[in-house]
Amino acid sequence: EAGVAQSPRYKIIEKRQSVAFWCNPISGHATLYWYQQILGQGPKLLIQFQNNGVVDDSQLPKDRFSAERLKGVDSTLKIQPAKLEDSAVYLCASSLVGTGTYEQYFGPGTRLTVT
Amino acid sequence: AQTVTQSQPEMSVQEAETVTLSCTYDTSESDYYLFWYKQPPSRQMILVIRQEAYKQQNATENRFSVNFQKAAKSFSLKISDSQLGDAAMYFCAYRSTNNAGNMLTFGGGTRLMVKP
Repeated sequence: EAGVAQSPRYKIIEKRQSVAFWCNPISGHATLYWYQQILGQGPKLLIQFQNNGVVDDSQLPKDRFSAERLKGVDSTLKIQPAKLEDSAVYLCASSLVGTGTYEQYFGPGTRLTVT
Repeated sequence: AQTVTQSQPEMSVQEAETVTLSCTYDTSESDYYLFWYKQPPSRQMILVIRQEAYKQQNATENRFSVNFQKAAKSFSLKISDSQLGDAAMYFCAYRSTNNAGNMLTFGGGTRLMVKP
């Protein structure tokens, strides 16, 4: 079974530029999560999708961050414009909901550096 | 809101020895899940072990076991016979059974170093 795929693995941009990250969850997983992990901290949930609907985006800075999950499969997280404090690893995770197993499977993450 | 605290930023253990990583959490809920995740330098979070709050028996997975103290809101991870491959960041995480999804609340992590 293929795992959660993310791209790119690394991205360096200047502040005020825009950037987009892509995530492909495990096939059949209805729930998709985006986490932000600042260096030295644990991951923090940014947004959660159930199929193509948003379940929780309470911690997403909506003035600069946006995310979508078209057709309930792949997802894109965008930052526009980026700030220095957005430097972090962005982790995507997916889980199979409704079958009694709720383990979240994580992708390798995208390390973003904003200069 | 729930919070998870890991008070040990770094721990060190000799290969083949045993080490315990600490985690405390704060919640008003009676039913929930607790997890330990391992994050090696590759950054991929790997589930190590999980515990359902309604189960009194502590979870075990090979060399990994937990000491779950519900009243004290404590959830420590014991790694026996430590191996060089155990070196990584370890995160304790909490998941409510009441919210609409499965969001995880993570602690700040403990870096485990294994000395040969």
